[in-house]
Amino acid sequence: SAVISQKPSRDICQRGTSLTIQCQVDSQVTMMFWYRQQPGQSLTLIATANQGSEATYESGFVIDKFPISRPNLTFSTLTVSNMSPEDSSIYLCSVTGYNEQFFGPGTRLTVL
Amino acid sequence: AQSVTQPDIHITVSEGASLELRCNYSYGATPYLFWYVQSPGQGLQLLLKYFSGDTLVQGIKGFEAEFKRSQSSFNLRKPSVHWSDAAEYFCAVEPRYGSSNTGKLIFGQGTTLQVKP
Repeated sequence: SAVISQKPSRDICQRGTSLTIQCQVDSQVTMMFWYRQQPGQSLTLIATANQGSEATYESGFVIDKFPISRPNLTFSTLTVSNMSPEDSSIYLCSVTGYNEQFFGPGTRLTVL
Repeated sequence: AQSVTQPDIHITVSEGASLELRCNYSYGATPYLFWYVQSPGQGLQLLLKYFSGDTLVQGIKGFEAEFKRSQSSFNLRKPSVHWSDAAEYFCAVEPRYGSSNTGKLIFGQGTTLQVKP
């Protein structure tokens, strides 16, 4: 199985600021994914991050708001830009391996 | 469009009683199917998955799920619920394109399970 860590685990931010979330995997993986879980809601895929290429965003998510980096096969970052209270969510990193999707513990973001 | 529906937002069962959580999906072909559990303050844990073959799959913690193609369903069951099973349960599908998996998951809305002593 893949072990995923995320930093920070939680943060409280002011509106208009940006936060970068880090995702580290203990093995090399081709595809990494970023999900958002709004309060009391299900998980929604934000984008797919492949090493060596630009991230692919799902409908409703744009690069200017959620820029993603994927510098190598074990690491990715998601930035939540120009935050508003509506961005308050849990952000989860995920990877595919062994015919399974593994999830990180999540980053709980509160925007005031 | 592909979608996953969990008709029951909230279910309450007594400890020791049986449990069935419903999941229906909308997809042109048979996707990969998953059930995840999320306990308060915890990450997502995979309970079981279905790719092909035997339509009754066994998972961890005594859970099982049955894939019914004719009903586009993948219901989760447990014969006897424990208080520690109280959590949020998510059904998810992974669309496939030909023989390739996408790695992307589409989640249902989730079912909150409450267990009465």
